[in-house]
Amino acid sequence: ETGVTQTPRHLVMGMTNKKSLKCEQHLGHNAMYWYKQSAKKPLELMFVYNFKEQTENNSVPSRFSPECPNSSHLFLHLHTLQPEDSALYLCASSQPGQGDYEQYFGPGTRLTVT
Amino acid sequence: DQQVKQNSPSLSVQEGRISILNCDYTNSMFDYFLWYKKYPAEGPTFLISISSIKDKNEDGRFTVFLNKSAKHLSLHIVPSQPGDSAVYFCAALDQTGANNLFFGTGTRLTVIP
Repeated sequence: ETGVTQTPRHLVMGMTNKKSLKCEQHLGHNAMYWYKQSAKKPLELMFVYNFKEQTENNSVPSRFSPECPNSSHLFLHLHTLQPEDSALYLCASSQPGQGDYEQYFGPGTRLTVT
Repeated sequence: DQQVKQNSPSLSVQEGRISILNCDYTNSMFDYFLWYKKYPAEGPTFLISISSIKDKNEDGRFTVFLNKSAKHLSLHIVPSQPGDSAVYFCAALDQTGANNLFFGTGTRLTVIP
């Protein structure tokens, strides 16, 4: 495996379910990100982790709970979501510093909340 | 309030011609800009970037132009190829800040064979 992988690729869940999205990066990066992409909206940054520490929480509702056990893995735990949370959830990683700002994205998880 | 704007949701261009994708930003602290390309069912992939100390950066068929006074950048693709058909996202960041990227809504480019 290379790059950034995300599982599952598609997820349908009811509003009372609890599920988790997983992201893994094989690039040796120290920073990982969760983004939300809704239709006709820009990618919205949700969470940032640097060296496993959360450095950014962009006013995300508590029904989204991130977890970063190590620099290679990132999870997004979901519970009691709303239909408006249906979106594409993208994970990314980067190696901050040295003027390199490029983020590498996974393929995303298409989430539908029913 | 959106700090990075791509006002054209779609663009169609004939194969071989030039594609010009535009992006505007409002935050004068932004000093580094990136373009990403996204195919369906894939994540965005980095295409080209430019620092605010430059006004042009070229990489093969792709050139990014930056006009700081107008807070405007554009991506030129020439010649356009059918494989360039994708959604293109403009992104910006403040290098003195948290290095978080701010994205536009994207422009869907269709290159007609």
